[in-house]
Order: sequence, then C-alpha cells, then structure tokens
Amino acid sequence: KAGVTQTPRYLIKTRGQQVTLSCSPISGHRSVSWYQQTPGQGLQFLFEYFSETQRNKGNFPGRFSGRQFSNSRSEMNVSTLELGDSALYLCASSLEAEIITDTQYFGPGTRLTVL
Amino acid sequence: GDSVTQMEGPVTLSEEAFLTINCTYTATGYPSLFWYVQYPGEGLQLLLKATKADDKGSNKGFEATYRKETTSFHLEKGSVQVSDSAVYFCALSDRASSYKLIFGSGTRLLVRP
Repeated sequence: KAGVTQTPRYLIKTRGQQVTLSCSPISGHRSVSWYQQTPGQGLQFLFEYFSETQRNKGNFPGRFSGRQFSNSRSEMNVSTLELGDSALYLCASSLEAEIITDTQYFGPGTRLTVL
Repeated sequence: GDSVTQMEGPVTLSEEAFLTINCTYTATGYPSLFWYVQYPGEGLQLLLKATKADDKGSNKGFEATYRKETTSFHLEKGSVQVSDSAVYFCALSDRASSYKLIFGSGTRLLVRP
C-alpha cells in the first residue's frame, strides 16, 4: 500500500510570492491534516480536512489556507510569503481522524525555503 | 490549553544502553498519548500509543506507560541500537481537539557504536 505522498519535496520561493503544496493520502483515507515544523516553534497544527470540509484550524494567519478534493487529495496554499514561513510542512492522513482510535500516517514533508 | 513537555536533547548513549525520554502533559480532559519518531529526512512515524490511564504502549522494544497521577508518558528502551538514532516526539490528543495532535518539542537521540 502506498504511503502518504507530498509534492514537491523541496521548494525555494522569495518573499511576497505564494506557494501551493500538495498531499495525496493513503488510499481509502478520508482525513488529511497539515502541520508546520520549524526549529523554533516545533510541530504546529495548521488544519484538518475530512470529506472536503475543514473541521479544525490552528492559530495561523489567513495567509495559510487549504482545501480537499473529492478524491481526498489536499492542497495548502500560503500567500504573501514571509521569511518565517520557511519550514517543513507535513501532511498526515487517517481513515476518519478520530485520533484516539485512528492512526495518523505522515508523509515525508515539503521543505519550503523563503528567501 | 493542552500542552506537552519533553526533556531537552540531545541525548547521547552508547549502543546497548538503557534509554529514558521524559514526557509530561497538561490536559483538561482525558487525552490519548503518543510517541512518534522522525528519522533523518523522513516524516513522522507512530511508535506507540496509549488511550487510557495505566495503559502500556509498546513497539520495537520501546515502551511507555500512561501515568495519570503524574501526568507522564515516559519512553523507555532496555537496549538501544545505532539505528534508533532519531528525533522522538511525545504528543497528545483529547476529545476537545480530537482532530489534531499537540506535540512536544522533540528529543534528539544519538546512539554511538
């Protein structure tokens, strides 16, 4: 069974640009979550989607947005990039995202560098 | 709000040494607790979990017991290997935020031959 895939794996952008990251969950998984990982802030929850609906959102500015498609694939978008947006962006999928019972499977991440 | 505190790293051990990585949590409800591991250049992998007090999670020789009285979930392994070198994250999820994981800051483990 293929794991969670994220594209691209590496990305370099300049301040003010926008970026779109993609995540393909494990087949059959309907929930996708996004996390930002930085050396200073650690792992922080961005948002979670289930059946194309955002169910939960973390404390990030409106520049961070996401969506989920009918095939459960998800994208996240960051507009007007800032230097502080440089991070590893991780996507995780699970069957239902009742984390207490389900297991979240993480992808390898997209490393975004903002210059 | 809910939070997770882990011991600072890096932790450096010789092969076959005993490992303990401390983790304590603060939560308003009755959370589920997790240990994830991140190998260099990879995403997170679930190592083990426990969903209620006194549960013991175990996998690949690693163990952690959910201690409600001390709000702790310490990770242990009796004999570490070089291949265990990675970053270990303690995390929680509770019913109030069942769609997200709250992570600790991570502890880097380096095992020397």
